[in-house]
Amino acid sequence: GAGVSQSPRYKVAKRGQDVALRCDPISGHVSLFWYQQALGQGPEFLTYFQNEAQLDKSGLPSDRFFAERPEGSVSTLKIQRTQQEDSAVYLCASSFGGLYFGAGTRLSVL
Amino acid sequence: AQTVTQSQPEMSVQEAETVTLSCTYDTSESDYYLFWYKQPPSRQMILVIRQEAYKQQNATENRFSVNFQKAAKSFSLKISDSQLGDAAMYFCAYLNQGGSEKLVFGKGTKLTVNP
Repeated sequence: GAGVSQSPRYKVAKRGQDVALRCDPISGHVSLFWYQQALGQGPEFLTYFQNEAQLDKSGLPSDRFFAERPEGSVSTLKIQRTQQEDSAVYLCASSFGGLYFGAGTRLSVL
Repeated sequence: AQTVTQSQPEMSVQEAETVTLSCTYDTSESDYYLFWYKQPPSRQMILVIRQEAYKQQNATENRFSVNFQKAAKSFSLKISDSQLGDAAMYFCAYLNQGGSEKLVFGKGTKLTVNP
């Protein structure tokens, strides 16, 4: 597709469940970012990839959060043993001379 | 660390009128970029306008323009001839030149456009 695609759009998880969020960046975009947006807040940086290399993971809130981009294209953000405070919209963006965002995945942890 | 502050949680404007959204930021860097993003209920973050800090001329994109005051570290967005489709959350964002393009966002301003 022409834009950044994220799936699923909505995810409901029971507390303690593992979840995986997918991001398909724009074809050819080298840089890929994950942001977390809590309700009523601006997005906050989680992690950054350049191709398959994860160059910055300083924003990941805990070791339950893990991101990968094994072939330098599609990326997956995995959250293990989800907690209620993980409820947020998770935005992916890819970059090539500008930052292009996907529509996000809304995660609700019950 | 850089910070971005949007002091207006909500703003409203009448259709066809002009509204200005405020943004201030804090940085010790001299080279950087500033952005305004629009986020409608669909959640898609859309780039509205971009300003390079080294440029003195204020950026303009159709009905959207900025007032960039580097010394004051202020970056306001003016929307002229407001339209119903302008209703959204607006986020101001900062980016260091070079580095990882890690955007720092403000908390946003919710703009309502009244018919």
